[in-house]
Amino acid sequence: EAEVAQSPRYKITEKSQAVAFWCDPISGHATLYWYRQILGQGPELLVQFQDESVVDDSQLPKDRFSAERLKGVDSTLKIQPAELGDSAMYLCASSPRPGVQETQYFGPGTRLLVL
Amino acid sequence: QQPVQSPQAVILREGEDAVINCSSSKALYSVHWYRQKHGEAPVFLMILLKGGEQKGHEKISASFNEKKQQSSLYLTASQLSYSGTYFCGTDGSGSARQLTFGSGTQLTVLP
Repeated sequence: EAEVAQSPRYKITEKSQAVAFWCDPISGHATLYWYRQILGQGPELLVQFQDESVVDDSQLPKDRFSAERLKGVDSTLKIQPAELGDSAMYLCASSPRPGVQETQYFGPGTRLLVL
Repeated sequence: QQPVQSPQAVILREGEDAVINCSSSKALYSVHWYRQKHGEAPVFLMILLKGGEQKGHEKISASFNEKKQQSSLYLTASQLSYSGTYFCGTDGSGSARQLTFGSGTQLTVLP
């Protein structure tokens, strides 16, 4: 069964350092999402790609976060510099081309701890 | 706007039933239900489309009342494996481009 891949699974860093997360969506899925999930809360959308284009990054803190999906396949989310409040689970999800009956499939996530 | 889930937490004995509710202040085209176990990614359970169709299989089913903008997830004869946090994701656009997730309902099934 096809799955969304993410790495690393865990990351510990010190504040002011740079971190990067990688996501490989399910093959053929055109839409890719990055979410942040704080413990005890639901996932919150950071950025959405359709193929290689950003559809929505309105909730992405652009002073420190960046995301790219250069070839419309895998994607990287970067934080520079990391802050204590960035500690969270970062989830990647993918979906086939948007449609009413399509849902999103999540990867295992990257748990980030900023010290 | 974030959907409201209730209850926030529920504790059951194996074999008991549970209902989890999801309410939105916006018109909805679909509701997506996920279960997340501690430290793991959300796993898709089912999607409910506009039209009020009830879906499900075996002992987990759901309904969607589009007029009330509400969905309910029904867990019948709970098993230990049902433990986890249940999230509803709502789609107000009709294309499932974006889902807005509730804050979750933590379900604990005890032996």
